[in-house]
Amino acid sequence: SQTIHQWPATLVQPVGSPLSLECTVEGTSNPNLYWYRQAAGRGLQLLFYSVGIGQISSEVPQNLSASRPQDRQFILSSKKLLLSDSGFYLCAWSPSGGETDTQYFGPGTRLTVL
Amino acid sequence: RKEVEQDPGPFNVPEGATVAFNCTYSNSASQSFFWYRQDCRKEPKLLMSVYSSGNEDGRFTAQLNRASQYISLLIRDSKLSDSATYLCVASGNTPLVFGKGTRLSVIA
Repeated sequence: SQTIHQWPATLVQPVGSPLSLECTVEGTSNPNLYWYRQAAGRGLQLLFYSVGIGQISSEVPQNLSASRPQDRQFILSSKKLLLSDSGFYLCAWSPSGGETDTQYFGPGTRLTVL
Repeated sequence: RKEVEQDPGPFNVPEGATVAFNCTYSNSASQSFFWYRQDCRKEPKLLMSVYSSGNEDGRFTAQLNRASQYISLLIRDSKLSDSATYLCVASGNTPLVFGKGTRLSVIA
């Protein structure tokens, strides 16, 4: 069966510091991978998605970036965090070729920028 | 116009009640539809897919009306454990578009 991992679970960072969040998927090959952010009391905002290694689509211009160095690894980064980057960051996967298929979410990282 | 719109609630219902949520979507080309459930401070989890003919899973029934571009979720015999936020989802210009969710509180 497939599992998706995210770490860390919680993170408190000062404004201006860098960020690196990691997501890995097990039990499937060539998954589509997604990064979402959910701000307090808000809906899910798609940040990036990837259909393969090195292929990243950005949905929202911001100070975040994403990379996919391996088939089942997706990384979300920032060089300098802003207060507005606080939120619940969720990684998700869907089967290869299934961009409109069900997405399965990891447990998320709760980021607080102070 | 938002791509997927839901009544944010909260819906406060007693145990055993029947409750219905509706959601509208703007992209007439959407082909896939889902309901997700999200518990407080947790990740969303798939509740059920929504098929054109409608589908049922125990106490939960989902319906799709393509002509009016809305999706519904009916929960019968509500349990305390049904308290959560329910997210309506449609495929769109981006892979999937999530509504902001409808909050349900089932009270004893």
